[in-house]
Amino acid sequence: GAVVSQHPSWVICKSGTSVKIECRSLDFQATTMFWYRQFPKQSLMLMATSNEGSKATYEQGVEKDKFLINHASLTLSTLTVTSAHPEDSSFYICSASRGSRANTGELFFGEGSRLTVL
Amino acid sequence: SQQGEEDPQALSIQEGENATMNCSYKTSINNLQWYRQNSGRGLVHLILIRSNEREKHSGRLRVTLDTSKKSSSLLITASRAADTASYFCATVPPHTGGFKTIFGAGTRLFVKA
Repeated sequence: GAVVSQHPSWVICKSGTSVKIECRSLDFQATTMFWYRQFPKQSLMLMATSNEGSKATYEQGVEKDKFLINHASLTLSTLTVTSAHPEDSSFYICSASRGSRANTGELFFGEGSRLTVL
Repeated sequence: SQQGEEDPQALSIQEGENATMNCSYKTSINNLQWYRQNSGRGLVHLILIRSNEREKHSGRLRVTLDTSKKSSSLLITASRAADTASYFCATVPPHTGGFKTIFGAGTRLFVKA
């Protein structure tokens, strides 16, 4: 099966610092990865679509300077929360699609990263 | 915005009973998927049903799709305590260019042993 690894699984940081979360596809190449944010007992909110070798596409209302996404290789996408504040505390989940389009099949999810900003 | 709305939001049943969750969506679709999420974990793909299919089975799971009503249901038969999780339907709306998967609000299922 396809495996997506997300790291770290949890992180606590001070307000004003930056935090990087990595998402790796371990046994397949992912031209497209997706970053979601999830609040407690709520659904996943798509933040951005990460495309290998090009700029990420952000959803409306998501600050691209706040949430930096880099997809430098076919197996790695990173999300950096810059100058984190307590309201950025959340559960962040990445997913990857095998094909170039998500609708060709299922998405494979990382285990999520819980960010707590003090 | 959420593509899918699910009901019920929460469901509590006894082990051995069947659990039915419903999902409605707004736009046309190529397929609809159901995912499961254990508390604090990532999502796991359960089943995909294509727009030209009406019903699909996988083990204890049965999914139906009614494109005329833009709705789908997930039935878990003979539920087990280990089925306790949140269940989400997901679609890829055509207006997104076929790239984005949008998730419904989810149903939190609690199976009592």
